[in-house]
Amino acid sequence: AQRVTQPEKLLSVFKGAPVELKCNYSYSGSPELFWYVQYSRQRLQLLLRHISRESIKGFTADLNKGETSFHLKKPFAQEEDSAMYYCALTSHGGSQGNLIFGKGTKLSVKP
Amino acid sequence: KAGVTQTPRYLIKTRGQQVTLSCSPISGHRSVSWYQQTPGQGLQFLFEYFSETQRNKGNFPGRFSGRQFSNSRSEMNVSTLELGDSALYLCASSQRVGASNTGELFFGEGSRLTVL
Repeated sequence: AQRVTQPEKLLSVFKGAPVELKCNYSYSGSPELFWYVQYSRQRLQLLLRHISRESIKGFTADLNKGETSFHLKKPFAQEEDSAMYYCALTSHGGSQGNLIFGKGTKLSVKP
Repeated sequence: KAGVTQTPRYLIKTRGQQVTLSCSPISGHRSVSWYQQTPGQGLQFLFEYFSETQRNKGNFPGRFSGRQFSNSRSEMNVSTLELGDSALYLCASSQRVGASNTGELFFGEGSRLTVL
């Protein structure tokens, strides 16, 4: 079955600490992976996608096909990073309109 | 550009009734997707429309239906409402890129449905 698992519902770190939000997936085929973020009182929005291989707001994510993981990392967390983070996938070359989402991890960055 | 607009934002219905939710995509976006968000199941894909045609459908019963109009606006309908249909319904639009839709999704604020 196609599935995205985010094992942590809540992750709390102090400002300046490294942060890693975990995402594991189960997919038969070649997936495309994404991270979406929802800040307080804002809409859900794309943070980054693995095919872009870019760093957004200091966040990076590497697709590890061997471990079927796509963890989101940032070396030094900031208070403004506090938000709900969702990992999502679709088939390679498939539609972004048809995403399978994980249940999300709430990141809290304390001062 | 105005963002994705969903109406109504909040509504309360009783079991057995039906409901219609509306979504206006970002100008120029022709692809619209719908998602259901609940605390228990998280975000689940409902349908995707492009050029007035349903392109993909999620694993939901036939009580859930949708359509897209020639101006790309979309509606979804839920008939014979059940308590479990209480959820936030999110609409997202995107520019279709290539043969499949690889454009970034832009989400609306959602329509929160409560079924009593």
